[in-house]
Amino acid sequence: QKEVEQNSGPLSVPEGAIASLNCTYSDRVSQSFFWYRQYSGKSPELIMSIYSNGDKEDGRFTAQLNKASQYVSLLIRDSQPSDSATYLCAVRGDKIIFGKGTRLHILP
Amino acid sequence: DGGITQSPKYLFRKEGQNVTLSCEQNLNHDAMYWYRQDPGQGLRLIYYSQIVNDFQKGDIAEGYSVSREKKESFPLTVTSAQKNPTAFYLCASSPTGLSNQPQHFGDGTRLSIL
Repeated sequence: QKEVEQNSGPLSVPEGAIASLNCTYSDRVSQSFFWYRQYSGKSPELIMSIYSNGDKEDGRFTAQLNKASQYVSLLIRDSQPSDSATYLCAVRGDKIIFGKGTRLHILP
Repeated sequence: DGGITQSPKYLFRKEGQNVTLSCEQNLNHDAMYWYRQDPGQGLRLIYYSQIVNDFQKGDIAEGYSVSREKKESFPLTVTSAQKNPTAFYLCASSPTGLSNQPQHFGDGTRLSIL
């Protein structure tokens, strides 16, 4: 059974600090990795894609991938209250598998 | 504006009734997907289609049916055989079914039982 694991949270982070969200996956042949943000009652919104080991930065967001450790993370710098949401990790090999998400709460 | 349109936003089903959820995209994407999301749960794949007139079952297809007669449209029918249909239903699409392409989601349909 291929799995994607995330800590359900809630993860509470002070405004302006760095939020670190983690995800592990079981399928070693996974090739593509995505982070989605989902506000309460809304649909998921793609915020980052990463395909190779290392870091990928986009504005305040940095995705980190370590295929050897089967680990992908999302860092949010200068956290804002508007970042409060559930973050879904998605891993794609022969099919895409979503984690259950981590609830992030930015404390004003 | 290009995007994925799901309708209705809210839907109520009576016992023994079939209901159909609409999903239309104008992104010219080949691949389309239906997911179900329950509170506190991840997304579970119901059905997917990588090309017109072809679709495959996902992980929880029982009690659901789909069609893909047009590239733009991928309606989902929740049949009376689905005994626990209350959930948030999400339609997604991607340019093709290739693994390096992310999926983009519509706004969802929230289905409840009367």
